[in-house]
Amino acid sequence: EVQLVESGGGLVQPGGSLRLSCAASGFTFSSYSMNWVRQAPGKGLEWVSYISSSSSTIYYADSVKGRFTISRDNAKNSLYLQMNSLRDEDTAVYYCAREEGAGGAFDIWGQGTMVTVSS
Amino acid sequence: SYELTQPLSVSVALGQTARITCGGNNIGSKNVHWYQQKPGQAPVLVIYRDSNRPSGIPERFSGSNSGNTATLTISRAQAGDEADYYCQVWDSSTLVVFGGGTKLTVL
Repeated sequence: EVQLVESGGGLVQPGGSLRLSCAASGFTFSSYSMNWVRQAPGKGLEWVSYISSSSSTIYYADSVKGRFTISRDNAKNSLYLQMNSLRDEDTAVYYCAREEGAGGAFDIWGQGTMVTVSS
Repeated sequence: SYELTQPLSVSVALGQTARITCGGNNIGSKNVHWYQQKPGQAPVLVIYRDSNRPSGIPERFSGSNSGNTATLTISRAQAGDEADYYCQVWDSSTLVVFGGGTKLTVL
């Protein structure tokens, strides 16, 4: 079964750090670009970051640039998001999502992990 | 930056046809993808590259894209189709863009 499972969410104080993980299974992880997408409580979807299959290309949304770092380990079938200098507005459910092709759709999503930034 | 505009809500009678629009400057030149999200669940891809259905998505779901508007059409709407629907594109400057989402209510 094709699956993505996120972990690492939790409660963190403003200015703190958190590292999210996304474990992939059921497909050749190293062949796909991956993304992180978040959703604040009661709000819509917001794209966060993209990483190509070989990690050669990385993009960030302006809202997280300079604070978040995306990475992957193809040998471990895992995707990561290192989040530093967290702000209240980073509070959201964070989803990892597989991209089906260049400029393509996000065809597989994880169940999400909740990140709460609060003092 | 590139923006996508969706109506906040759309209502449809049971068994009728619902149309959800996604507006953007010359969106017809881009590939548009549509997602369905039910409360407490992750989004699910229902249409990709304007009009293609992933396996497992009913034929009742279809998409079109031309000019400045893309449209998701749900025929013979069912109670189980009630959800939030989001359009999404890739843009050369803004990269990944999501519409604000449309809440579909089946009456």
